Amino acid sequence: EAQVTQNPRYLITVTGKKLTVTCSQNMNHEYMSWYRQDPGLGLRQIYYSMNVEVTDKGDVPEGYKVSRKEKRNFPLILESPSPNQTSLYFCASSLAQNNSPLHFGNGTRLTVT
Amino acid sequence: GEDVEQSLFLSVREGDSSVINCTYTDSSSTYLYWYKQEPGAGLQLLTYIFSNMDMKQDQRLTVLLNKKDKHLSLRIADTQTGDSAIYFCAESPQTGANNLFFGTGTRLTVIP
Repeated sequence: EAQVTQNPRYLITVTGKKLTVTCSQNMNHEYMSWYRQDPGLGLRQIYYSMNVEVTDKGDVPEGYKVSRKEKRNFPLILESPSPNQTSLYFCASSLAQNNSPLHFGNGTRLTVT
Repeated sequence: GEDVEQSLFLSVREGDSSVINCTYTDSSSTYLYWYKQEPGAGLQLLTYIFSNMDMKQDQRLTVLLNKKDKHLSLRIADTQTGDSAIYFCAESPQTGANNLFFGTGTRLTVIP
């Protein structure tokens, strides 16, 4: 089944403790992206990647890192999480060409205390 | 930067039509999208419209685009309880077509 898989689904952590949220897709998509969803703000893009070893900042990259060593994986790294990073995070992927639909994972709800 | 706006809530009775509205600022947008988010799930693409079209119909869904006013709407005919969800409008700027800018989302509640 074609899908985007994020792990974990739920995560509660403390300020400053490094964490990684994994994202994997099995559709051979070139493009991958991370979004955060906050009430009243919709989805805001954190980072995106057009292909292996190519990553770029989105609208809200501060406090996050990503890597794209393989085509299928695009982990999101929070080196020193803070409470303002408490949010619902979505990974998405698509083919590179225009208007290819974005496929979303089911989300990771992160709470930083 | 790009700005996409939607009202936050909409309630309709089962069987009525729902109209969800969206305004955007980027006049160079090439594609405009509607995504649906059900509870506990990611977003699913519902439909999209290319910027040189005025209307697109797909079964119970009708998308209207007024490019002059930068206004997009999604009409759901014969709304069902299963249509209760959050609906996101998104635009694709001319550059970086995969980088969508999303609205705040409209929570549609269908009253039985």
